[in-house]
Amino acid sequence: AQTVTQSQPEMSVQEAETVTLSCTYDTSESDYYLFWYKQPPSRQMILVIRQEAYKQQNATENRFSVNFQKAAKSFSLKISDSQLGDAAMYFCACPNFGNEKLTFGTGTRLTIIP
Amino acid sequence: EADIYQTPRYLVIGTGKKITLECSQTMGHDKMYWYQQDPGMELHLIHYSYGVNSTEKGDLSSESTVSRIRTEHFPLTLESARPSHTSQYLCASSDWASTGELFFGEGSRLTVL
Repeated sequence: AQTVTQSQPEMSVQEAETVTLSCTYDTSESDYYLFWYKQPPSRQMILVIRQEAYKQQNATENRFSVNFQKAAKSFSLKISDSQLGDAAMYFCACPNFGNEKLTFGTGTRLTIIP
Repeated sequence: EADIYQTPRYLVIGTGKKITLECSQTMGHDKMYWYQQDPGMELHLIHYSYGVNSTEKGDLSSESTVSRIRTEHFPLTLESARPSHTSQYLCASSDWASTGELFFGEGSRLTVL
């Protein structure tokens, strides 16, 4: 069975600093996408960034980037220049059954310190 | 911008009542999903659908049922609500040929007294 592990239930970072959220996963799929989602308090879950597994280049979206280590099945999220609006729950997600379903990690609650 | 809508956003009801949580999407997506999010925020897949007249049980057993009569609509029903059903329910959809990315609604927070 596919599993996704986020070992940091909570993280905090000073505004404008950089923080890295960790995620490890296990999948039997040979080609797949990995995702980081953000869920602000009482608001909609939205996609932050995705990584295609066969691409060696790490994905980047503005201040958000990933460190994807396929052999180690590690998929961390780096947030640079942290802003107050980045405060949220962050979920890592891995597909199973040929991208038919997503399995989510338990989430990391990120607090931004002004 | 994803267009997926859930109603009601908040619902407080008494034990034994029948409830239906509505979910609609305007993106023409074939795949739709219901996740239950517990107080610890963990997400559990309870139902999904590949298209019209297709429904499947998810990874977490649930007493709720779903139907998919129209592509855009994927309601979830509890015939007799109990306090153990108190949770947040998130609906999502995905394009069949896509990356597997999910687009989420805003959620329905159910409280059963």
